Amino acid sequence: EVQLVQSGAEVKKPGESLKISCKGSEFSFTTYWIGWVRQMPGKGLEWMGIIYPGDSDTRYSPSFQGQVTISADTSINTAYLQWSTLKASDTAVYYCVRHHSGTYDYWGQGTLITVSS
Amino acid sequence: QTVVTQEPSLTVSSGGTVTLTCASSTGAVTSGYYPNWFQQKPGQAPRALIYSSTNKHSWTPARFSGSLLGGKAVLTLSDVQPEDEAEYYCLLYYGGAWVFGGGTKLIVL
Repeated sequence: EVQLVQSGAEVKKPGESLKISCKGSEFSFTTYWIGWVRQMPGKGLEWMGIIYPGDSDTRYSPSFQGQVTISADTSINTAYLQWSTLKASDTAVYYCVRHHSGTYDYWGQGTLITVSS
Repeated sequence: QTVVTQEPSLTVSSGGTVTLTCASSTGAVTSGYYPNWFQQKPGQAPRALIYSSTNKHSWTPARFSGSLLGGKAVLTLSDVQPEDEAEYYCLLYYGGAWVFGGGTKLIVL
């Protein structure tokens, strides 16, 4: 069964850095895109960006370009989303999702990030 | 800034039919936008329903269907069930980046 398993919830302070992960299993990790989606409390879904682990081709939404970094490690079938300087406004649930051929099919369970002083 | 617009909320009676739409600020939505539709219930991750306008995933109930109509992407729910009460999101492709609609809260009476 295809699975995307995300790392656990985090509580951080403003200004701190963070890297969350998304591990894929039961599919060829290098031949699918992995996307990241933000959902702020009580709000809708926002597409952040996407990476093709096979060659590290990465695309970002203009809204998130320069704010986060998406990467992947094909040796452990894991994609990452990282921040160098967190803000309170980064508080949200972050989902990873598999993408191929115009479809986003399998989703991770979500990672809750809380940024508070 | 590209905006994808959905109805904020819709109400339907159990057993009825409802249509949700997805419009783009750039003009008519065509197959080249690869419309995707997702269902999200409170506290859960989104679930994929429809991709590339009309295609269903293996787990998508038959009562859900997707189409393009009047320059918009459309999600139609027939014989609506109480468990269909949820938030529904569309997602459109804009040449390298994707944009979600604001979501439609579907209320089932």
